[in-house]
Amino acid sequence: GAGVSQTPSNKVTEKGKYVELRCDPISGHTALYWYRQSLGQGPEFLIYFQGTGAADDSGLPNDRFFAVRPEGSVSTLKIQRTERGDSAVYLCASSSDRIEQFFGPGTRLTVL
Amino acid sequence: AQTVTQSQPEMSVQEAETVTLSCTYDTSESDYYLFWYKQPPSRQMILVIRQEAYKQQNATENRFSVNFQKAAKSFSLKISDSQLGDAAMYFCAYRSALGGGADGLTFGKGTHLIIQP
Repeated sequence: GAGVSQTPSNKVTEKGKYVELRCDPISGHTALYWYRQSLGQGPEFLIYFQGTGAADDSGLPNDRFFAVRPEGSVSTLKIQRTERGDSAVYLCASSSDRIEQFFGPGTRLTVL
Repeated sequence: AQTVTQSQPEMSVQEAETVTLSCTYDTSESDYYLFWYKQPPSRQMILVIRQEAYKQQNATENRFSVNFQKAAKSFSLKISDSQLGDAAMYFCAYRSALGGGADGLTFGKGTHLIIQP
């Protein structure tokens, strides 16, 4: 079946604006993860959903970041009052067994 | 908190040769999972191989194998018969097996693998 998809693939915004990044997991995967990958670094964990609820949001850097998964499938990562330091690739992954994670191609966010 | 260290920012190998990528980690847990992921320029992370800490036998997937040394907290990846398509960033990652929602992966900074034709 189809893999994890993320939209948009690239997003350019201005400092202070609000952005939403979308993730469509593999059908039937109940676990969904968001990561942030800054240039030259490995991905950093942001948040993990099991079904509709956030099981672990310990990686969210501050209260400008928020994520939802209202129906247990598609998830949206929301960033308010964007800052230049938020520029990164945002990766989404899903899993059926909470062990092997399948990643999407990511959204590259650029904050000018 | 767990940490993962990849001390080789870049490695280069001739096509058809063997290369080993290093990874060490720090944890106080006894049960966990370790992974190697490949990230080509397309950005999509692809799982190469995984190892459960409770298994003593080293994992193998075709040309890819690991040397898992639990006491030394070392988890190296060996790629045999290197191919041009192996060129990518390689990331070592750790996942706790404790449960309770601690499912997020902890990644190292990565090693850029170059394959020389």
